Amino acid sequence: AQKITQTQPGMFVQEKEAVTLDCTYDTSDQSYGLFWYKQPSSGEMIFLIYQGSYDEQNATEGRYSLNFQKARKSANLVISASQLGDSAMYFCAMREGRSGNNRLAFGKGNQVVVIP
Amino acid sequence: DVKVTQSSRYLVKRTGEKVFLECVQDMDHENMFWYRQDPGLGLRLIYFSYDVKMKEKGDIPEGYSVSREKKERFSLILESASTNQTSMYLCASSRTSGRLYEQYFGPGTRLTVT
Repeated sequence: AQKITQTQPGMFVQEKEAVTLDCTYDTSDQSYGLFWYKQPSSGEMIFLIYQGSYDEQNATEGRYSLNFQKARKSANLVISASQLGDSAMYFCAMREGRSGNNRLAFGKGNQVVVIP
Repeated sequence: DVKVTQSSRYLVKRTGEKVFLECVQDMDHENMFWYRQDPGLGLRLIYFSYDVKMKEKGDIPEGYSVSREKKERFSLILESASTNQTSMYLCASSRTSGRLYEQYFGPGTRLTVT
């Protein structure tokens, strides 16, 4: 069964607007972590933001915030004030349990294109 | 600055060849990972290693093997390359302890098997 679901089609976003990328996850563990990565056309994967399952507040990192709704098992990424450099693929990932080897399950990604 | 490097950005090999993809990290991380990335499929884990000489299969290990003789180096081996192994290969590393311990990725190797 798919552990991370990202189903939005490619998105076009106007520069300076906010965009929300959906991510739902499936786990029976109580302790887990959720990650978002950005992959520009150059190919490198860039870590953006992390949310732990026991964190009481939604994570924020600059223009990135994570809308964490535990009961719904969703961890949506919000990018505020989009910039042209935000055009990229975005991947949601989950680490389950207290595994020390830090294995991640990735979603299939969301394509975002920011237009001027 | 943390760094994960991969031996090649682009590689073209023939069907049946033995292919080595090398990954080196300079962060003294315990864990290292090999993924392949295909359009519409996201990243899929091939193998990972949590210590020198230790390895575990990921979701798609068939047709691949790995080697970790030194902590900083993790090699992916295609024993007999096939056209369906044409893909982008990404290496990553991470710590074992700590709250966050995100994975750091290399730049990727785009492998074409003809």
